[in-house]
Amino acid sequence: DTEVTQTPKHLVMGMTNKKSLKCEQHMGHRAMYWYKQKAKKPPELMFVYSYEKLSINESVPSRFSPECPNSSLLNLHLHALQPEDSALYLCATSGTVSSGANVLTFGAGSRLTVL
Amino acid sequence: SQQGEEDPQALSIQEGENATMNCSYKTSINNLQWYRQNSGRGLVHLILIRSNEREKHSGRLRVTLDTSKKSSSLLITASRAADTASYFCATDASGTYKYIFGTGTRLKVLA
Repeated sequence: DTEVTQTPKHLVMGMTNKKSLKCEQHMGHRAMYWYKQKAKKPPELMFVYSYEKLSINESVPSRFSPECPNSSLLNLHLHALQPEDSALYLCATSGTVSSGANVLTFGAGSRLTVL
Repeated sequence: SQQGEEDPQALSIQEGENATMNCSYKTSINNLQWYRQNSGRGLVHLILIRSNEREKHSGRLRVTLDTSKKSSSLLITASRAADTASYFCATDASGTYKYIFGTGTRLKVLA
């Protein structure tokens, strides 16, 4: 299994709701990422977990709360979001290729709409 | 911002033609990677070039890297309608896990 699976594919939530995005991988990769992507823009890095510990937080507002329960799972907890947080949220993992470099493997994304 | 710039922003060509897109970046890198994204989907890794390499080929893809100019180009030869997608370069900041994407080129290949 070489996939990165994200659920749900689509999510609509109100500004007072609490919801979570989930990401699962079985590639044995030890780095996991959350990216946010607005329409016609590049993905923007939010968080990086390395060996299940948060290693990078790109000054993301606290209404986004990441969690890495184990090496296969990555969650993004959402609370009190704003309409401008509507975007495609991408999970990725990175593993080493034959050259020794890391490449990213992405999930299909979760399309979030905040009303 | 560390984000790289890509040009052109959009490119429309006929099937069978070659497509060239360029990426400029700002920091020292270990490697530069190119990814493709079909509309509204996840990104797919295409090719990686290390900082000590100048050119690399993979099928119909050719990538060049000029570290003195902090720039890279991706050439897709004999394009197909299925190549229609957005293409992004990505760089890592000196061995960290911090992969930063360029602004992207939207390629449309007309059948």
